[in-house]
Amino acid sequence: QSVLTQPPSVSGAPGQSITISCTGSSSNIGAGYDVHWYHHLPGTAPKLLIYGNNNRPSGVPDRFSGSKSGTSASLAITGLQAEDEADYYCQSYDSSLRAYVFGTGTKVTVL
Amino acid sequence: QVQLVESGGGVVQPGRSLRLSCAVSGFTFRTYGMHWVRQAPGKGLEWVAVVWYDEINKFYRESVQGRFTISRDNSKNTLYLQMNSLRVEDTAVYYCARGEGPTPGPTGNTDDAFDIWGQGTMVTVSS
Repeated sequence: QSVLTQPPSVSGAPGQSITISCTGSSSNIGAGYDVHWYHHLPGTAPKLLIYGNNNRPSGVPDRFSGSKSGTSASLAITGLQAEDEADYYCQSYDSSLRAYVFGTGTKVTVL
Repeated sequence: QVQLVESGGGVVQPGRSLRLSCAVSGFTFRTYGMHWVRQAPGKGLEWVAVVWYDEINKFYRESVQGRFTISRDNSKNTLYLQMNSLRVEDTAVYYCARGEGPTPGPTGNTDDAFDIWGQGTMVTVSS
């Protein structure tokens, strides 16, 4: 099972802001490893959304931002758009498992 | 245009083998570490294995250690995953993904993200 916990679902109206949490432990996020975020539509290639806790790859709108504190991280989406409906995953590294780990995933619904 | 294209998926009985391929184009393949990541039906993403740029250093998740072998041929710009002794719980869509740098993994750069992904190939293990 995943060692990074996310809420199963988050929803918001167009134009609103939402936040997705990612809770880890002292062997992953709390140990200082970077957190990355991915956008995934089932049946398609996952897409890197945020890398290194709070950096956006070229082409990702500034409506998306990431933060990290202690054993948790968050992804914020402002100005929610219909195209933002997808699954979102956080990811880090776990020193106890000696493995890369993903969050449980959050389905974002635009009402 | 950067592209990763997986192939080789299918339906296989428990205990049998399957070999996945990931053909890469649009970047200098030999300078990046490469991963396999899977997603079981209705589940989240799960990292499987990584190989460094040098074709030599390889790391696996515990549940596939000794059964799966990741490899690459830098002369063919292709990544592979040899899966032996397959189990029902290996049923998933398998994605190949590029690491940000040449040496991701437990003894390399653990902070590399998976910056480019393929569309995946489905593996079904069933009797």
